[in-house]
Amino acid sequence: DAGVIQSPRHEVTEMGQEVTLRCKPISGHDYLFWYRQTMMRGLELLIYFNNNVPIDDSGMPEDRFSAKMPNASFSTLKIQPSEPRDSAVYFCASSRGAEYNSPLHFGNGTRLTVT
Amino acid sequence: KQEVTQIPAALSVPEGENLVLNCSFTDSAIYNLQWFRQDPGKGLTSLLLIQSSQREQTSGRLNASLDKSSGRSTLYIAASQPGDSATYLCANSGTYKYIFGTGTRLKVLA
Repeated sequence: DAGVIQSPRHEVTEMGQEVTLRCKPISGHDYLFWYRQTMMRGLELLIYFNNNVPIDDSGMPEDRFSAKMPNASFSTLKIQPSEPRDSAVYFCASSRGAEYNSPLHFGNGTRLTVT
Repeated sequence: KQEVTQIPAALSVPEGENLVLNCSFTDSAIYNLQWFRQDPGKGLTSLLLIQSSQREQTSGRLNASLDKSSGRSTLYIAASQPGDSATYLCANSGTYKYIFGTGTRLKVLA
């Protein structure tokens, strides 16, 4: 398997623009997680899905952030409108599930810079 | 709310030393605890997963232990090498989601 695939690897945008980050989980993994990593706050869980259904979005910072998972092989994280404080590395991860003691697998991340 | 703490935040050691990284967590109701490695500009790579019923796991020069009663896990690295230089993070899984510590940045000097 190719692992968790994220795109784009880098995104530079201006404040106020819409940003869409994409993720393809590992086939057969029922759980998908979106994390944000910054120097100040470390790795924060934004939202996670189970079988394409959002289960916990309590980490989503504001209404400007939204995430979808239309099918088992694709998820998006959208920021609209973007702000400079959204600059961070965004990671997608997938797993068969903690209850099965399945390891968490990460993509290489999307480095977002909002100017 | 689950909190995960890692000590020390940074560590620099000469090559060949054995070292211990610490991870503590507040909620013992977990499925498992995972240790990850992160190289600069890269994603996280899973190193070891310890199930809640286990006390330790070993992979090569790495050994991770888990003490749920005290809310602690340690990662032991034997005979450290410059290639071990990276940030090491632990993650605690409870209620299906993984909460991460802030990591220990390790530098092994040749």
